[in-house]
Amino acid sequence: DIQMTQSPSSLSASVGDRVTITCRASQSISTYLNWYQQKPGKTPKLLIYAASSLHIGVPSRFSGSGSGTDFTLTISSLQPEDFAIYYCQQSFDTRRTFGQGTKVEIK
Amino acid sequence: EVQLVESGGGLVQPGGSLRLSCAASGFTFNDYWMTWVRQAPGKGLEWVANINRDGSETYYVDSVKGRFTISRDNAANSLYLQMSSLRPEDTAVYYCARDRLSGSHSRWGQGTLVTVSS
Repeated sequence: DIQMTQSPSSLSASVGDRVTITCRASQSISTYLNWYQQKPGKTPKLLIYAASSLHIGVPSRFSGSGSGTDFTLTISSLQPEDFAIYYCQQSFDTRRTFGQGTKVEIK
Repeated sequence: EVQLVESGGGLVQPGGSLRLSCAASGFTFNDYWMTWVRQAPGKGLEWVANINRDGSETYYVDSVKGRFTISRDNAANSLYLQMSSLRPEDTAVYYCARDRLSGSHSRWGQGTLVTVSS
C-alpha cells in the first residue's frame, strides 16, 4: 500500500497567516493527490484534486502543488472559517490512502 | 441534486455482522465508481473499499479484506457494505462517497455510525 505522511500533525496560526501543510507519499504518485478539509461534526470537503486543481467553489486562497512524492497545500491568508483538519489522499493506486491529517488551530 | 444517504449502522457485538446501504440520487449511478470511507471516533479518515461502475472490480484495505464485501445494485441506485466478523476497531462512522475521474471524492453521504461492543 502507498503510505501518505502529513506534516505537521497540528499547527497554530493567526488569521491572515500564510499556512503550508506538506504531504509525502511512500512512492511516486505523479499528481494523483487530493486535499480535503473537515470541520468538527461535518463531512469532508474536497479542496484540491490532481495536486493543484481547485475544486469548484473553493476560495482561491487555497492552492496545491507538487508531483512525485512531495506535495504542499497552502492557504495564502488564513480565515476564521479555515480552522479545521486537512487530509491528503492519493488516488494513484486503486486502493486509496489518506494521510493522518493536519489540525489547523487558532493561535 | 446529488444525494448519498447511508443507513444500516448500529450497535453490534464483536464477531457479529451488519450491512450498510447507501442510496444514491440525483445522478446516473452506474457512471461512477463508489467508495466507502470510515472514521473512528476522534481519528482520521480511512479508505475502506471501492467498486467499479458495473461491480466487477472491488478493492479493500488490508484490515477488512475477507471480512467486508462491497457491492452495488445499479438498478436500485444503491451501494452496500456487508461487514462480518466485526471487531471493536471497526467502530467508526462509515461514509459512502462518489468518485470523480481523478479518484477524488466531491460528494459524500452524512455517514452512519457502527459501534462494535459487547
